[in-house]
Amino acid sequence: DGGITQSPKYLFRKEGQNVTLSCEQNLNHDAMYWYRQDPGQGLRLIYYSQIVNDFQKGDIAEGYSVSREKKESFPLTVTSAQKNPTAFYLCASTPTGADTQYFGPGTRLTVL
Amino acid sequence: AQKITQTQPGMFVQEKEAVTLDCTYDTSDQSYGLFWYKQPSSGEMIFLIYQGSYDEQNATEGRYSLNFQKARKSANLVISASQLGDSAMYFCAMRPFADDKIIFGKGTRLHILP
Repeated sequence: DGGITQSPKYLFRKEGQNVTLSCEQNLNHDAMYWYRQDPGQGLRLIYYSQIVNDFQKGDIAEGYSVSREKKESFPLTVTSAQKNPTAFYLCASTPTGADTQYFGPGTRLTVL
Repeated sequence: AQKITQTQPGMFVQEKEAVTLDCTYDTSDQSYGLFWYKQPSSGEMIFLIYQGSYDEQNATEGRYSLNFQKARKSANLVISASQLGDSAMYFCAMRPFADDKIIFGKGTRLHILP
């Protein structure tokens, strides 16, 4: 089946540790996005990538890093510099020439 | 500045009634797309409906329709014959065509009562 997968669904880390969230898509979409969602809030853009080996900062990029070495994969690293990393993280992708973003199931990160 | 406003933080509606979720947007761009997403308790964002700013007719997708009033910068979602499974958070969003990014509102939590 085609789709966007994020793993793991739940992730627990100790404060001060870096953690990498996975996002994979087999839809052949060019653009991929990472969002953060806090309780009762909308989505805020962290990073996005329109093509392989290129990415841009979103509205809240500080404390996060990404890579786009393959079209199918757009991993997000939450670094120890992120002051409040506990949140729900959503990955999305968009077909070429289209506007609509399609989302993965999300990863809930809890930093203890 | 680009902005999406959803003024209803929560709504309670009786099953089988129609529901209107409000959304207003602010943009200086002439060309843009408008979206509605549904987020059930599982967390996944489900795309519901899309309206382009140049579309003269309101978009419809099954029980969902988008009441687009361009002059008022309004893009309300209408759900006909609501069902218990419609209980979820609903987000309105906009993407100016000149931008790569989608802007989301803060959402409306809809509760369908049996």
